[in-house]
Amino acid sequence: QKEVEQNSGPLSVPEGAIASLNCTYSDRGSQSFFWYRQYSGKSPELIMSIYSNGDKEDGRFTAQLNKASQYVSLLIRDSQPSDSATYLCAVNYGYSSASKIIFGSGTRLSIRP
Amino acid sequence: NAGVTQTPKFRILKIGQSMTLQCTQDMNHNYMYWYRQDPGMGLKLIYYSVGAGITDKGEVPNGYNVSRSTTEDFPLRLELAAPSQTSVYFCASSYGSGGEKTQYFGPGTRLLVL
Repeated sequence: QKEVEQNSGPLSVPEGAIASLNCTYSDRGSQSFFWYRQYSGKSPELIMSIYSNGDKEDGRFTAQLNKASQYVSLLIRDSQPSDSATYLCAVNYGYSSASKIIFGSGTRLSIRP
Repeated sequence: NAGVTQTPKFRILKIGQSMTLQCTQDMNHNYMYWYRQDPGMGLKLIYYSVGAGITDKGEVPNGYNVSRSTTEDFPLRLELAAPSQTSVYFCASSYGSGGEKTQYFGPGTRLLVL
């Protein structure tokens, strides 16, 4: 059973601070990793994707991948109230066209003024 | 581009009724997916399709059926609705094979089975 684990939160972070979200996955065959943001009552939207070990930066967001330790994280710098949402980690297992994306249950992030 | 569209937005079903959730994408994506999301939970894959005429089961396929006659459309059929199927249903599409499958989601269909 392939699994993707996230702390459900809520994670409360003061405005302007760094929010750190973590995700672990069970299968070493995982090839690509995604972070989605989901506002309450809305559909998920892609924030970051990462495929190689190391860091990937996009504006205030940085995704970090460590395949040896089987974890992926998302850092949000200069947190804003608009960052308050649930963040879903998703993992794509395998190379083939039949590979599947498994989602974690999400971490709820709250940015306090 | 409208992206991924879903209808209806909300529906109430009685136990035992059937319905079809519609999903259409205009991005010419070869991959399409159906997920359900229960309150406070992540997304569970119901069915997916890698192209017209090809579908396969996901994690939670029981009680559902799909078809993919065109690249654009991927309807989800619920037969004999049960209270356990109360959920929010998201359709998604993506382009590409292998490891790179950025998914684009529709707005969702909220289903209540009473």
